[in-house]
This record gives sequence, structure tokens and C-alpha cells, in this order.
Amino acid sequence: EAQVTQNPRYLITVTGKKLTVTCSQNMNHEYMSWYRQDPGLGLRQIYYSMNVEVTDKGDVPEGYKVSRKEKRNFPLILESPSPNQTSLYFCASSFHRESTEAFFGQGTRLTVV
Amino acid sequence: SQQGEEDPQALSIQEGENATMNCSYKTSINNLQWYRQNSGRGLVHLILIRSNEREKHSGRLRVTLDTSKKSSSLLITASRAADTASYFCAMSGNEKLTFGTGTRLTIIP
Repeated sequence: EAQVTQNPRYLITVTGKKLTVTCSQNMNHEYMSWYRQDPGLGLRQIYYSMNVEVTDKGDVPEGYKVSRKEKRNFPLILESPSPNQTSLYFCASSFHRESTEAFFGQGTRLTVV
Repeated sequence: SQQGEEDPQALSIQEGENATMNCSYKTSINNLQWYRQNSGRGLVHLILIRSNEREKHSGRLRVTLDTSKKSSSLLITASRAADTASYFCAMSGNEKLTFGTGTRLTIIP
């Protein structure tokens, strides 16, 4: 089954404790991205990747890191999480660039206390 | 950022009626897409309309695009209770897919 898999689905952590949210897709998609969703603000893009070893900042990259060492994986790293990073996070992938249909993971609800 | 704005923010209609949602954006686009989200779950792609298209249909969905006004609309005909969800427009351009703020649609049985 074609899918984007995020883990974990739920995470509560403390301020400053490094964490990684994993994202994996099995569709051989080139383009992958991370979004955060906050009430009233819609989805905002954090980082995106056009292909392996090619990443770039989205609209809200501060406090986040990503890597794309393999085509299927695109982890999101929070080196020192803060309470303002409490949010619902989504990973998405699409076959080619941003202009084709995006497939979304089920989301990771992160709480930083 | 070329984040789009959607109107209305929330819409409640009776089952069987038509629902119309509007999206406005600020800069040029390659295409515009519409997505659906059920209560905190992942988004699901509904339909894509290219910048050189004016109207597109898919089942009960009808999308229009007016690039001169930088706006799009999504029409859902003969609504069903299962259509209750949030709907987002997404603008494709400059390597980014940028989402609007969404319309919360509630279908009353």
C-alpha cells in the first residue's frame, strides 16, 4: 500500500530535550516536506527536499533541522524543543516537485512542556 | 509567503445542499490544489487545476480558477454527512506548496 508513515503519532517531551520525528514514504517520490498545523494558521511549511541531499527552508524553519540521506526518509529534528513548537506536524511527499499531488502522513502531535 | 486565505472560515449546511468555498492568493502559481482533512488527520488530495485551466470537475466536485483575480472556488454538490471536514486550498509555485487557512464544513443530517 502506498503510504507516508510518521512516527511517533503522539509525543510529550520537555524543553531542551532533542527529538526526531521520522517520516518514510514507499512511493519513490522525489519531493518531501514537513508542515506544522496550528489553529487559525493553517499548514505552514517548515522544510522541503527536492531530492536526496537537497533540502531547503520553508516558511517557518527556525528551530528545526532536516536531512535527506535516502530518497524514502526525511526526518525532522528538533535540537532543543521549546513550548512554541507544540503543534501538529505532517510529513508529505509527491512524485515530482511541489506541483503534483501530495500524500500526507497521519500526523505527529507534539507537546513540549 | 503566499499563504492563501479561505472564505468562509466555517460553513454549516443541510445535507443535500451545495457547499461553496473560496480561496484567494497573492502571487503567481503553477497550479492550485484542494485538500480535505478529517478532524486532525492527514490531508487527502481532492483535485488539481492548472494555471491555464478555468474549470475542472471530479465527481461531485467542481473547481474554478481565475488567475486574473488570484482566486479559486470549490463547489461540492449534493452534500452528504460524510463531507463534514476541513477543506484547504494549496498553491504550487517556487518549489513550495503553500496552504490556505482552511474552511471548516459541517453537513447537518
